Amino acid sequence: NAGVMQNPRHLVRRRGQEARLRCSPMKGHSHVYWYRQLPEEGLKFMVYLQKENIIDESGMPKERFSAEFPKEGPSILRIQQVVRGDSAAYFCASSPTGTDYEQYFGPGTRLTVT
Amino acid sequence: DQQVKQNSPSLSVQEGRISILNCDYTNSMFDYFLWYKKYPAEGPTFLISISSIKDKNEDGRFTVFLNKSAKHLSLHIVPSQPGDSAVYFCAASASNSGYALNFGKGTSLLVTP
Repeated sequence: NAGVMQNPRHLVRRRGQEARLRCSPMKGHSHVYWYRQLPEEGLKFMVYLQKENIIDESGMPKERFSAEFPKEGPSILRIQQVVRGDSAAYFCASSPTGTDYEQYFGPGTRLTVT
Repeated sequence: DQQVKQNSPSLSVQEGRISILNCDYTNSMFDYFLWYKKYPAEGPTFLISISSIKDKNEDGRFTVFLNKSAKHLSLHIVPSQPGDSAVYFCAASASNSGYALNFGKGTSLLVTP
């Protein structure tokens, strides 16, 4: 019974490079949420997606960040031209339907920008 | 603006005693509250939740209390065990905002033998 899978677990990028973070939801879950945790902070909501649809991206920075959840394959959070301030832990969560408050989290991807 | 606040960054409790973790919120539209437990280098794990129509929910050693008038909730763990040592996050959601979770900054609980 696989839980939410995220890869890579650790990612190091130099300033200006692109970062791609992947999330495979739990089996049977079609709703995906991305959160970011900065050092010494709580998790901050970024974006909520269903298959092929972005439902709520109110927490996404306006520039350089994008997310998708294609019909086939994992959800992708993409950060273009990374800067040091993007260094954080990025968590993906999934739920069976959009009316489930309880979200199940993956182990996270720790992004370090050098 | 931090809509969910956990004002105690850390808490130390002896094994067998009660741990009480507190959480305050400011948004009156929140109608569902959750507690997550997190170990280092892992994702948060769902622990217990409560709807705004209730004031108490119990699951084994864990009980969550909700005081809507004070916009306050608390998590009670009794008896506390060393394996409970982790960071505990309070989270809140509003059904009219797509179910995104708003997290507090967490309280680090240490249960000593």
